[in-house]
Formats: sequence, structure tokens, C-alpha cells
Amino acid sequence: EAGVVQSPRYKIIEKKQPVAFWCNPISGHNTLYWYLQNLGQGPELLIRYENEEAVDDSQLPKDRFSAERLKGVDSTLKIQPAELGDSAVYLCASSLDEMDTQYFGPGTRLTVL
Amino acid sequence: LAKTTQPISMDSYEGQEVNITCSHNNIATNDYITWYQQFPSQGPRFIIQGYKTKVTNEVASLFIPADRKSSTLSLPRVSLSDTAVYYCLVGDGLGSARQLTFGSGTQLTVLP
Repeated sequence: EAGVVQSPRYKIIEKKQPVAFWCNPISGHNTLYWYLQNLGQGPELLIRYENEEAVDDSQLPKDRFSAERLKGVDSTLKIQPAELGDSAVYLCASSLDEMDTQYFGPGTRLTVL
Repeated sequence: LAKTTQPISMDSYEGQEVNITCSHNNIATNDYITWYQQFPSQGPRFIIQGYKTKVTNEVASLFIPADRKSSTLSLPRVSLSDTAVYYCLVGDGLGSARQLTFGSGTQLTVLP
């Protein structure tokens, strides 16, 4: 069974540029999560989807971050414009439902110059 | 909001048993406790999950006391490849109110 797929694995951009990350969850998983992980810290939840509905986006900085999960499968996380402080690893995870075990992708390491 | 506390780091030698404890005073009644392992440049990997008492699988055991305000991950006979960061995860609430809080992580270093 394929795991959670994320792309790109690495991205380097200049500040004020836009950037997008893509996530393909495990087949059949209804719940999808985006996390941000700074160096030396645990993952912090940005947004959680139940199918195509964002049920928790309270930690998503909505002035510059946006996300979508069309058709309840793949998801895209966007930052526009990027700031220096956005440099981090962006992790995607999925689970069968909100109470089930989360499985993580390898992450996208973003560097903003 | 569930908050978890873990030791920042631990050292051990190959072949020893390692116990890592996580405190989660505000765990919700219906929440499970999950532990993850993370290597550099990889996403967290599921190790074990439990609700109460003791759970054991092929790689670890999880001990949860009756009050469920803490949990202990036990790794038997660690090897060099167990050097990683270990996180506990608890939830808080249901549905849109559900909060998922990772601990700060424990860096386990296994020495030869």
C-alpha cells in the first residue's frame, strides 16, 4: 500500500514569492492534515479536513495561507506571499477518520531567502 | 487544549531498555495516546497507540496508568538505529473542536 505522497520534497524561494505544496493521502483516508514543523520542535497543526470540508483551520494564518481539498482526495497548501519566517517543513498526514492513527508523508522543506 | 510534556533528551546504550514518559494532564475521556518516531528529513512514523493499561506490539510497549494523565513508551533492547526523536500525541475534544497536540519531542541517542 502506498503511503502519503508529498511534492516537492524541497523548495527554495525568495520572500514575497508564492509557493504551493501538494499532498496525496493514503487511498480511502477521509481525514487529511497539514502540519508545520520548525527545527527542533514538534509538528503544529495548520488545518484538518474531513473529506473536502475544513473542520479545523483555527491555526492557519489566513492572510497568506490557503488550502483546498477538492473532491476529498488530494490537497494543496499555498502561501502567498512567503515570508522569511515561513521557512520550515510542511507535513501532510492522513487517517481513516478523525480518531484513527495518522500516517505522515515525508514533508516538504521550504526555505525562504 | 491538551498539553503534553516530555523530556528533551535521553541517552542510552545498545541493548538497554528505554522508557520515555509523556505527561498529558488534560487528556479527554475518549482520546487515545499515540507515539511517533521521527528520523531527520522524514515524517513521523507511527509506533504504538493505546487508551489505558498496557499495549504491546512488535517494537514497543505502552504503559498508561488508571488516571491516564501520563504514558510511558518502552523500547526493549534499543539499537543504534533507534536514535531518533520520539513524540507523544493526544487529542482534545471532538469534531471541529478537536485539538491535536504533539509534545516537544524527546531526542533519544543510543550509544554503542
